[in-house]
Amino acid sequence: QKEVEQNSGPLSVPEGAIASLNCTYSDRVSQSFFWYRQYSGKSPELIMSIYSNGDKEDGRFTAQLNKASQYVSLLIRDSQPSDSATYLCAVCISGTYKYIFGTGTRLKVLA
Amino acid sequence: DGGITQSPKYLFRKEGQNVTLSCEQNLNHDAMYWYRQDPGQGLRLIYYSQIVNDFQKGDIAEGYSVSREKKESFPLTVTSAQKNPTAFYLCASSTLGGDQPQHFGDGTRLSIL
Repeated sequence: QKEVEQNSGPLSVPEGAIASLNCTYSDRVSQSFFWYRQYSGKSPELIMSIYSNGDKEDGRFTAQLNKASQYVSLLIRDSQPSDSATYLCAVCISGTYKYIFGTGTRLKVLA
Repeated sequence: DGGITQSPKYLFRKEGQNVTLSCEQNLNHDAMYWYRQDPGQGLRLIYYSQIVNDFQKGDIAEGYSVSREKKESFPLTVTSAQKNPTAFYLCASSTLGGDQPQHFGDGTRLSIL
C-alpha cells in the first residue's frame, strides 16, 4: 500500500513566523508532488506543485523536495492568521493516474 | 470560467435509498475522480476514470457506483449498500500524464436522515 504521511498537528506558530510542514511518502519512484490548502468545510485548493529535487518558491510559499529521503516539505514565510487551515500533501503514484493524499497537518497562526 | 461544479451542496439520504451526486467539469480534463472525506481525515479514493466509458475502483468502492458517459460528467451514486454514507464527497479532475495537479469541486455534504 502506497502511503503518504503527515503530522496531524495542530502546528501553532505566531503571526509573522515561518511555518514548516512536512510529508513523507513510501513510493520510491513517484515523480509528482502537490500541496493543497483546505479551509474548514471547504474543498482543497492547490498551492504548489513540485517535480524536481530542491526548492520551488511562489510568493510566501516554498516547497522543498528530497527524493532520496522521500520527503517533501512546505514552508510558509510571514505566516498570517488567514493561513490557518489544514495542509494536504499529495503524491501521484508513478505509472498510474492515482493520487494518494496524506491526512493533512492543521496549522494555526496566532495573531 | 472553467471549473468543476458539484451538486447539490447538501444532500440527505433516507434509509434504503440510493442518491446520486453530480459532478460536471468544463476544463476539458480527461481524468475524473471521486473522493470521500470524513471529519479530521484525509481523502480516500472511491472511483476514478481516465476516459469515457471506462472507470476503475479506488480504495473504498463498495456501496458506490459511477458512470462516465460524457467527458464532462462523472456522477456518483451512493447506494443503500453503503451503510455509513455520511461524509464530505469531493469530485476532482486532471489532465492525463500524472504530472498535473488535480482540481476540486466545492464538494457535497451527505447526511443520513
